[in-house]
Amino acid sequence: EVQLLESGGGLVQPGGSLRLSCAASGFTFNNYAMSWVRQAPGKGLEWVSSISANGYSTYYTDSVQGHFTISRDNSKNMLYLQMSSLRVEDTAVYYCAKDWGDLNNWFGPWGQGTLVTVSS
Amino acid sequence: EIVLTQSPGTLSLSPGERATLSCRASQSVRNTYLAWYQQKPGQAPRLLIYGVSSRATGIPDRFSGSGSGTDFTLTISRLEPEDFAVYYCQQHSSWPLTFGGGTKVEIK
Repeated sequence: EVQLLESGGGLVQPGGSLRLSCAASGFTFNNYAMSWVRQAPGKGLEWVSSISANGYSTYYTDSVQGHFTISRDNSKNMLYLQMSSLRVEDTAVYYCAKDWGDLNNWFGPWGQGTLVTVSS
Repeated sequence: EIVLTQSPGTLSLSPGERATLSCRASQSVRNTYLAWYQQKPGQAPRLLIYGVSSRATGIPDRFSGSGSGTDFTLTISRLEPEDFAVYYCQQHSSWPLTFGGGTKVEIK
């Protein structure tokens, strides 16, 4: 069974940094692209970033380009999102999602999410 | 960027009724790269449909997707109690990947 377990969320002040992690199991991790998708409280879904199966290709939504970095460690079956210069509008539940292949770009399954709150 | 507009915002129906959800794109979605997800309160989204009309593993056949170009539809043929949820469309045709704003299907 595929399992994705996010961690690392919490309360951070504007301008601060946080690193999210996603532990993957139940599938051959290095065969699949992975993504982060977020959901602000009471709002819809927003794609944040994707990384190819081998980690060589990364993609970002414009609003996080330059202050978020996606990475993966295929030896540990781990996905990461390094977030810096955090803004109030980055407050959201962040979901880790498995790609259907290598950048097919539809997602399933998803983790349960980790809440990031940016507030002073 | 491809903007996806979902309508209606809320659909009030009774169990057993047919639900028709719309997703309109601001420009053509190439290669029919359009997916649908279901999200229940407090839960992560679940993939229902990809490639416009292909059902994901384990998804009942009362869920079907159709459309092309800029107009897409998710149909739930007969609503079951567990189908009352929010539904999102997503284009996986070009970067940045984008989602629609969602349609809430609620019990009438």
